[in-house]
This record gives sequence, structure tokens and C-alpha cells, in this order.
Amino acid sequence: EVQLVESGGGLVQPEGSLRLSCAASGFTFSNSAISWVRQAPGMGLEWVSTITGSGGSTYYADSVKGRFTISRDNSKNTLYLQMNRLRAEDTAIYFCATGNSAYGSYHDFWGQGTLVTVSS
Amino acid sequence: DIQMTQSPSTLSASVGDRVTITCRASRSISNWLAWYQQKPGKAPILLIYKASRLQSGVPSRFSGSGSGTEFTLTISSLQPDDFATYYCQQYNSFPYSFGQGTRLEIK
Repeated sequence: EVQLVESGGGLVQPEGSLRLSCAASGFTFSNSAISWVRQAPGMGLEWVSTITGSGGSTYYADSVKGRFTISRDNSKNTLYLQMNRLRAEDTAIYFCATGNSAYGSYHDFWGQGTLVTVSS
Repeated sequence: DIQMTQSPSTLSASVGDRVTITCRASRSISNWLAWYQQKPGKAPILLIYKASRLQSGVPSRFSGSGSGTEFTLTISSLQPDDFATYYCQQYNSFPYSFGQGTRLEIK
């Protein structure tokens, strides 16, 4: 059974930093691109970032480019999102989601999400 | 970047109704389109991928069609469990993008 468990969310001040983690199990981690998708309170889904299975390529939404860094440790089956210079508009539930190929695709499995709140 | 536009934003319907949600892409995405269902407080669930392929375990009353820039999600006979919000997503090219969502509510 595929499982994705996010952690690391919490309350952070504007301009602060936070690192999210997503622990994966139940599939061959390195064969799957993984993404972060977020959802602000009461709003729709927003794709944030994707990393390929090898970790060799990364992609970002313009809204986070230069502030967020996606990475993965295939030996630990874990995905990360380093978030720097956080803004109020980054407040959201952050989901990790698998891609159906190593290079990116639709998201067939999702974690339960972790809440990030940016506020002073 | 590709923009995805869903219509309607809200849809009121009754159990047993046939409903259709439309998703339009700002440029051609071939058939690289997925549909998701989300209920309050839960993660999205994949329903359809590659525009018309039903994800394993999803009831056959859900179907998708379209290619290029115009796509539809159809629920043939609404069940009580189907009242939720539905999103389309293009995965033709990065940055990936979602539609704004269609909330399906009970009439």
C-alpha cells in the first residue's frame, strides 16, 4: 500500500524558514517523480514544485521560485521542501503527491498534508 | 504558462442526475489532463488521467473526454458520495496547473 506522510508544518513568522518532509513507502521511490501541491485556506489546489525520480531535474511555480527548494533522499525514501523567506500568502496545507513516472505526470497518490501558517 | 479554466464554478444537482464539468486549457495540452475529487479536510483523489482513462477503483459512472484544449468530466448518475469539489490539472508541461475547481452541491 502506497503511503505518503508529510511533516514539518507549523507557525512561522514572515521572512522565516521551514523544512517540510514527506516519508514514502509502498512503492519504488526512485522510480517516481514527486510533487508538492498546496491549498490555501478555502482556496483551490496550486502546484508548487516537482522533482524527477533521480533528483536530477526540479521545477517550480513562479510564486515560489528562488525561495523554495525541493530535494529528495532516495536512500531514505523521503522528499523535502525547504521554504525560505516565507510570506503570508504561503499559508496553506502542503501535500506531497506521487507522479506516475520518473519524469513527472498526474498525481496518483497523495499524503494527508501538513499545515504551514505564516504570521507574526 | 498554461492556464486552466473550469466551468461552472458551482453546480447544484440532485441524486441521480447526469452532470458535466468543463475544463479549458489556454493552449493545446493533447490529452495530458487529469481530474481529481476533493472532499473537505481530505486530500484529492485521482479520478481520470490522460483525459479519459479511469483510475483503478473509481466507479464507472465517472468518465472523461476531450483533447487539445477542451475537456469534460461527466458523472452519469450522481450518488450521495459524489458531492465534492472537482479539479482538472494539465501535466503537458511545467509549470503544471490546476483549474480553479467546481463545487458540486446538493440541490
